[in-house]
Parts: sequence; C-alpha cells; structure tokens
Amino acid sequence: GDSVTQTEGLVTLTKGLPVMLNCTYQTTYSPFLFWYVQHLNEAPKLLLKSSTDNKRTEHQGFYATLHKSSSSFHLQKSSVQLSDSALYFCALNPSGGNYKPTFGKGTSLVVHP
Amino acid sequence: EAAVTQSPRNKVAVTGGKVTLSCNQTNNHNNMYWYRQDTGHGLRLIHYSYGAGSTEKGDIPDGYKASRPSQENFSLILELATPSQTSVYFCASGGGGAETLYFGSGTRLTVL
Repeated sequence: GDSVTQTEGLVTLTKGLPVMLNCTYQTTYSPFLFWYVQHLNEAPKLLLKSSTDNKRTEHQGFYATLHKSSSSFHLQKSSVQLSDSALYFCALNPSGGNYKPTFGKGTSLVVHP
Repeated sequence: EAAVTQSPRNKVAVTGGKVTLSCNQTNNHNNMYWYRQDTGHGLRLIHYSYGAGSTEKGDIPDGYKASRPSQENFSLILELATPSQTSVYFCASGGGGAETLYFGSGTRLTVL
C-alpha cells in the first residue's frame, strides 16, 4: 500500500535560520503530494501541493519540489519565523482511483527567539 | 473558501455510552473522511465515504461506525465508548486526486 515517511518528529530552530523537513513516499501510482500545517489548537490546512516532477512550488515563504526519481517532497524555508512554529504533515493522494489520502506522522517545528 | 463544520466542539462521555460526532460540508465534495489525532500518531483514518450512502473502513475502524445520509453530512458513531477513544477527531472533505482536504475545527472527545 501507499506510505509517507517523515523522519523528524521534532525540529527545534532559532528564528532566522533555514529549515528543511523531510518527506518521502511510496506509491505505485502517479502521486499528488501535499504539505499541511496545523497551528496549536487549530485544524490542519493546506500549505502547498504539487504533482509536477522537478517543479518548485512556493507559498508563504515555504517551498518544495517533487522529485519522482527519489520519491521525495521536502519542505524548505530560508528563514524561519516564530509564527512558523506548528505541526507539519506531508500527505499523498494517489491518482489510481483510490481517494484515500495517506499522511505522514507529522513533524513538529518549534522556533525560538 | 471551503467550509466544514463539526459538532460538538467538545464532548465528555461515559464508558459504555453512545457518542455521535457530526460533520457538515457545503463544498459539494463527494469524499469525506474521519480522522483521529493523538500525540505521536499523527492523523489516523477511521472511516471515509465516496458519496451519499457509502462508507468505507479506514485504517483504524474498530469500535467506530460511520453514516453518510446525504452529500453534506457524515457522522461518526461510537456505540460503546471506551477511554481509549479519548482523542481529537477531525472531519474533512475533498481529497481526491489533486483535491485539497478541507478540515473541520475538530471535536475533543473525553471518555471517562
């Protein structure tokens, strides 16, 4: 079956530093990849998404590139802010008629002053 | 902006009692989902639906039932609630192919 792996459970950084949150996936179909962000006591919401190989997608200073050759969709930001502290989920929608999204376990990002 | 509304926001139930969590979406999405969120486990899929009248088992369906009486409404039912079902529950709609998932605000359920 499909799977999504996020290797970091917790990332702690100082404001202004760059960050990369890892996401790799497995599927037998052509994938749609998503990053969702969940701030404390809120619902998850879309941060960015992509299905195009080797094309960078950006939103709110975050960016990610889908690399089908390595089955990866890492999330990056060049300079984190305090407001970026949140839980980040990588998710996969397969394209083979199965509409069951698969989520990674999430990475908690904590940004210190 | 897509809208998904959950009720209640908070619920305290007794062990062995019946609990119904409700979800309504005005997005006209075919697909709807119920997840639970626990620390260390991320979002785990309980049940989902492709449309009115359909329900499918997710990854952790034991102890839960679901009902989709209409395009807009999707309920999660705990017939005999147990303390292990204490969690935060999210409903979502969308999610097919390139579609984004839109989440409700969540229901915090405590089973005593």
